[in-house]
Amino acid sequence: DTAVSQTPKYLVTQMGNDKSIKCEQNLGHDTMYWYKQDSKKFLKIMFSYNNKELIINETVPNRFSPKSPDKAHLNLHINSLELGDSAVYFCASSIGSGGPYEQYFGPGTRLTVT
Amino acid sequence: AQSVSQHNHHVILSEAASLELGCNYSYGGTVNLFWYVQYPGQHLQLLLKYFSGDPLVKGIKGFEAEFIKSKFSFNLRKPSVQWSDTAEYFCAVNNAGNMLTFGGGTRLMVKP
Repeated sequence: DTAVSQTPKYLVTQMGNDKSIKCEQNLGHDTMYWYKQDSKKFLKIMFSYNNKELIINETVPNRFSPKSPDKAHLNLHINSLELGDSAVYFCASSIGSGGPYEQYFGPGTRLTVT
Repeated sequence: AQSVSQHNHHVILSEAASLELGCNYSYGGTVNLFWYVQYPGQHLQLLLKYFSGDPLVKGIKGFEAEFIKSKFSFNLRKPSVQWSDTAEYFCAVNNAGNMLTFGGGTRLMVKP
């Protein structure tokens, strides 16, 4: 039983293209997140949604747009991809926000922009 | 803004050696502390966490960590490492908000 799943696992695309990454969690959690892990393994939060509403939006280019159709899904759409967008993107979820809640991570999507 | 520092970027140990990975954070208020592990090619998994109570917490796979409030530290320990412990280890902290701030990670290599 996959708790947090992401598709695709690998994504190779050219500069200037638009792509989406999908995330789904079957844990019944209210809060979902997107993180970016760069080539040096540094993890940084990008977005957080609670019950489909955006609650954290760190400083990321507006080419990145998260969409949450329901609280079990949080997709990430990226416009006009750039070389610097190459990274591993992790989705995560937690039971709630604003408290000491463990986050469960998906397997990651390795995005390579050429 | 809170920050998390992991001073050991790379650690190489032989099997059966003892492990201690350092983690310090900058936030002065009430914090929740986590250690996550990322095995090669895999996603992050929770090793252990501290919210309140006994500052010595035990996690999975024989790992433990001690919260020392006066030192703003939450060091991870294991008395005897195994080759299968080779992985990247991340310390993370959040406060009253839900933003989880990660340290830069420590890459542990255990030689058989």
